[in-house]
Amino acid sequence: GENVEQHPSTLSVQEGDSAVIKCTYSDSASNYFPWYKQELGKRPQLIIDIRSNVGEKKDQRIAVTLNKTAKHFSLHITETQPEDSAVYFCAANDGQNFVFGPGTRLSVLP
Amino acid sequence: GEEVAQTPKHLVRGEGQKAKLYCAPIKGHSYVFWYQQVLKNEFKFLISFQNENVFDETGMPKERFSAKCLPNSPCSLEIQATKLEDSAVYFCASSQFQGGNYGYTFGSGTRLTVV
Repeated sequence: GENVEQHPSTLSVQEGDSAVIKCTYSDSASNYFPWYKQELGKRPQLIIDIRSNVGEKKDQRIAVTLNKTAKHFSLHITETQPEDSAVYFCAANDGQNFVFGPGTRLSVLP
Repeated sequence: GEEVAQTPKHLVRGEGQKAKLYCAPIKGHSYVFWYQQVLKNEFKFLISFQNENVFDETGMPKERFSAKCLPNSPCSLEIQATKLEDSAVYFCASSQFQGGNYGYTFGSGTRLTVV
């Protein structure tokens, strides 16, 4: 089955700086990779996703890149703001379900 | 509705007691998924449904966990004889499409504390 690793586990950045979170997956059959943001005590919310037929996708300050050959994908947040502080989870599909990474706690310091 | 509704928000049970959690998927979503999120944030897949049929139950500890999605009723996840290690937040998610190709919409979760 699929195995997803995620780094770093915690990340602190100054407001306005960029943040990058990296994930690797093991199953070359995985072809859909969503990213979720979970604020403290709240539900995970889908913020961006990428399919294996594209290498990059951008939505305002958030972008995701995918390297199928190396089996890794990354989340990039530019011009970080305090409201970006949350735990971010990457995921990869594994048949009909998702396998989630262990999460990255991002703190944006004012 | 447009939200996945989970009840209750919090549930406290003594070890050995039964716990029952409920999930109403978004109207029109045929697929329901249950995940367990333990203290270290990791999500563990438990079970998925397509309408009232079990789709994948590979993550379910079958001895004490059971789940149902019956027509015209919220889906439910039941834990018989709870153990301390069952303490977690249980998230339900629903999807209009078959899982794995589109992101889910998650409910707010039920925090189960076993004391």
